[in-house]
Amino acid sequence: EDKVVQSPLSLVVHEGDTVTLNCSYEVTNFRSLLWYKQEKKAPTFLFMLTSSGIEKKSGRLSSILDKKELSSILNITATQTGDSAIYLCAGRYNQGGKLIFGQGTELSVKP
Amino acid sequence: GAGVSQSPRYKVTKRGQDVALRCDPISGHVSLYWYRQALGQGPEFLTYFNYEAQQDKSGLPNDRFSAERPEGSISTLTIQRTEQRDSAMYRCASSTGGNTIYFGEGSWLTVV
Repeated sequence: EDKVVQSPLSLVVHEGDTVTLNCSYEVTNFRSLLWYKQEKKAPTFLFMLTSSGIEKKSGRLSSILDKKELSSILNITATQTGDSAIYLCAGRYNQGGKLIFGQGTELSVKP
Repeated sequence: GAGVSQSPRYKVTKRGQDVALRCDPISGHVSLYWYRQALGQGPEFLTYFNYEAQQDKSGLPNDRFSAERPEGSISTLTIQRTEQRDSAMYRCASSTGGNTIYFGEGSWLTVV
């Protein structure tokens, strides 16, 4: 059965810390992996990763995909309280764009 | 529109009633998706459309759930004879087909 597993499920850090969030996937006919940040409103798109080994970067956030290990990491450097959210990882199927999500990692950044 | 718009944002209904949830995707987006999200879980796929055609409804939990997108734009998710276990956040998303999928703020459904 296809699945996406994220770890840790929750994480508490202090401002300025660097965090690494993990995502592993088993998705038949895998196309890409997506990361979202979910606060109180809609999940906000962060990254879409299709190719292995190519880091995508946006400000303090970066992510990379390892197709050999069927995994991805999301790094956040110099964390801020505004980074507090649930981070969702999703595998996208080759056909149709259906996503299968992990449970999410709840990140809490303390001042 | 600027983003995916869903209505109502909050719906409380009595068990046994039918509910209809509406999604207005980003203008020009071909693909439209419905997901359900329980507290503490990631979204779970229900169904998706390309234009007006329902391409995959494998995630609909049972025949009380149906969705339509008659003109290839706005979509309605209908739940008949609601049960308490249907209580969840229902999220709509849209994309241009091959690219990023954008989510709406969701409709919170509570069945009492």
